[in-house]
Amino acid sequence: AQKVTQAQTEISVVEKEDVTLDCVYETRDTTYYLFWYKQPPSGELVFLIRRNSFDEQNEISGRYSWNFQKSTSSFNFTITASQVVDSAVYFCALSDDTGANSKLTFGKGITLSVRP
Amino acid sequence: NAGVMQNPRHLVRRRGQEARLRCSPMKGHSHVYWYRQLPEEGLKFMVYLQKENIIDESGMPKERFSAEFPKEGPSILRIQQVVRGDSAAYFCASSIRGGSNYGYTFGSGTRLTVV
Repeated sequence: AQKVTQAQTEISVVEKEDVTLDCVYETRDTTYYLFWYKQPPSGELVFLIRRNSFDEQNEISGRYSWNFQKSTSSFNFTITASQVVDSAVYFCALSDDTGANSKLTFGKGITLSVRP
Repeated sequence: NAGVMQNPRHLVRRRGQEARLRCSPMKGHSHVYWYRQLPEEGLKFMVYLQKENIIDESGMPKERFSAEFPKEGPSILRIQQVVRGDSAAYFCASSIRGGSNYGYTFGSGTRLTVV
């Protein structure tokens, strides 16, 4: 069975601090996909990144970066120089590779509060 | 190009009433998924539909819940005889091809409150 664990439930930082959100996953599949979504206070889900299991290169997009390590089954997300607008709930998710019927398994989310 | 549209954004129902949640997928998307977010929880898969077909309903409660995606019109998630435990945010997502591997586009959700 697949599982996504986001052990941190709430994180509070002061603006301009760096913050890392942890994600650990479990799957028996050799091919799978990992995602991060952001849910701001307005409630919608915003797609941030998708990474497949064969691509372990770290990714950077502006102030966001992701560290994928298969050896530790982790896909951590770092926000550099955090801003108040980064305040949101962040979800990590895992998709198996059963083709057309695959579905996402979400972690419980991490609530990030960035204080001015 | 409008995204996934869900309505209503907020829905209040008394115990025992019916709730109908609507989802219009993105243009050109024929695959629709419903997920439920209970308070303090992540999203959990409920059902996957293509036009006129239910493909996977393994996450749907066996009673009171049903979903459809007719040939014309939006997908509907229907909850009969709602109870307090149904209070949650219900998210719809759509994709151009089946499966979650390429990621979905989610709607803004419908927040159902049962009083």
